[in-house]
Amino acid sequence: EPEVTQTPSHQVTQMGQEVILRCVPISNHLYFYWYRQILGQKVEFLVSFYNNEISEKSEIFDDQFSVERPDGSNFTLKIRSTKLEDSAMYFCASSEAKQGGADTQYFGPGTRLTVL
Amino acid sequence: QKEVEQDPGPLSVPEGAIVSLNCTYSNSAFQYFMWYRQYSRKGPELLMYTYSSGNKEDGRFTAQVDKSSKYISLFIRDSQPSDSATYLCAMSDILTGGGNKLTFGTGTQLKVEL
Repeated sequence: EPEVTQTPSHQVTQMGQEVILRCVPISNHLYFYWYRQILGQKVEFLVSFYNNEISEKSEIFDDQFSVERPDGSNFTLKIRSTKLEDSAMYFCASSEAKQGGADTQYFGPGTRLTVL
Repeated sequence: QKEVEQDPGPLSVPEGAIVSLNCTYSNSAFQYFMWYRQYSRKGPELLMYTYSSGNKEDGRFTAQVDKSSKYISLFIRDSQPSDSATYLCAMSDILTGGGNKLTFGTGTQLKVEL
């Protein structure tokens, strides 16, 4: 069964450093998403991406964040200058962009980001 | 008032019990409702989705939506130890076409004991 994959599974970085989290969405999916989950808190939407541009972003997704689809398979989240409060589990998700029926999001296993 | 409220638990039941998990919401624009299961330090796994009021059944799982009360439920029959996980409700105001921002509840931690 096709699945969303994410690398690395765990990333440790120093405050102020840049990190890039990588995702490979399901191959025929057209919408891509990033969510994050701070330990003990709920899953929160960050951004959605379609046709090589951001379609929606939350207030969390400020200028420190960017997303990119550098090639036909990868989808990346970059945090330019990490802060302690960026420590969280980051989930990538993808969906088909299904018309005329429920468009369901499938999540990857997550990348645990620890900012020291 | 939070957009989506979910009792965090933890909920502990004996094997074989019927489990009822619930969420309430305040945004009447929500029209697409999902239940995800999340094991510790893993990604959410889709269990069920529904977009109309009423019941939807899949094996031991039944999802129920009451849009008039803004209340959704997930029932698990004949619960098994392998059902032990955190159950997240999620909802969206977009059903088709994609790009729907999911709004999650806090999750209910369930433990099914032998």
